[in-house]
Amino acid sequence: EPEVTQTPSHQVTQMGQEVILRCVPISNHLYFYWYRQILGQKVEFLVSFYNNEISEKSEIFDDQFSVERPDGSNFTLKIRSTKLEDSAMYFCASSEAASWQYFGPGTRLTVT
Amino acid sequence: AQSVTQPDIHITVSEGASLELRCNYSYGATPYLFWYVQSPGQGLQLLLKYFSGDTLVQGIKGFEAEFKRSQSSFNLRKPSVHWSDAAEYFCAVGAGSGGGADGLTFGKGTHLIIQP
Repeated sequence: EPEVTQTPSHQVTQMGQEVILRCVPISNHLYFYWYRQILGQKVEFLVSFYNNEISEKSEIFDDQFSVERPDGSNFTLKIRSTKLEDSAMYFCASSEAASWQYFGPGTRLTVT
Repeated sequence: AQSVTQPDIHITVSEGASLELRCNYSYGATPYLFWYVQSPGQGLQLLLKYFSGDTLVQGIKGFEAEFKRSQSSFNLRKPSVHWSDAAEYFCAVGAGSGGGADGLTFGKGTHLIIQP
């Protein structure tokens, strides 16, 4: 069964550093998403992406975040200058049109 | 704005007993509803979804959920739980079909504990 993959599984970075989280969505999917889950809290929507542009973003997705689909398979989330409060599990998801979202296993980001 | 409430933070159930996890939503139109399960250190796995039609939906692993518009609820049920069902369960609502460009709004989750 096709699945969404994410790398790395765990990323440790120092405050102020840039990080890039990578995702490979399911190959025939057209819509891509990033969510985050701070430890012990609920999963929160960050951004959705379709046709090479952002479709929707939440208030969490401020100027320090950006997304990109650099090639035909990868979908990345960049955090320009990480803060302690960016520590969370970041989930990528993808979907076909009019279908449910498949989630990846997540990347645990720890900012020290 | 849409919202999801899962009133039970923790639920403990004996193995073999029945289970019901509660979910209430707030949304101005017909919602699209989902239940996801998350095992420790794992991603989110879709258990079942409601888009339209029959209000009782069947999912994987023997789970089912019933959409009740009058109560704004989408409770998850299983007639007999197994130890492997111990996990975190999330209810979510989407404005579209769960695809398109719509982000899902999740509840805070219910932690299910199975006791022998």
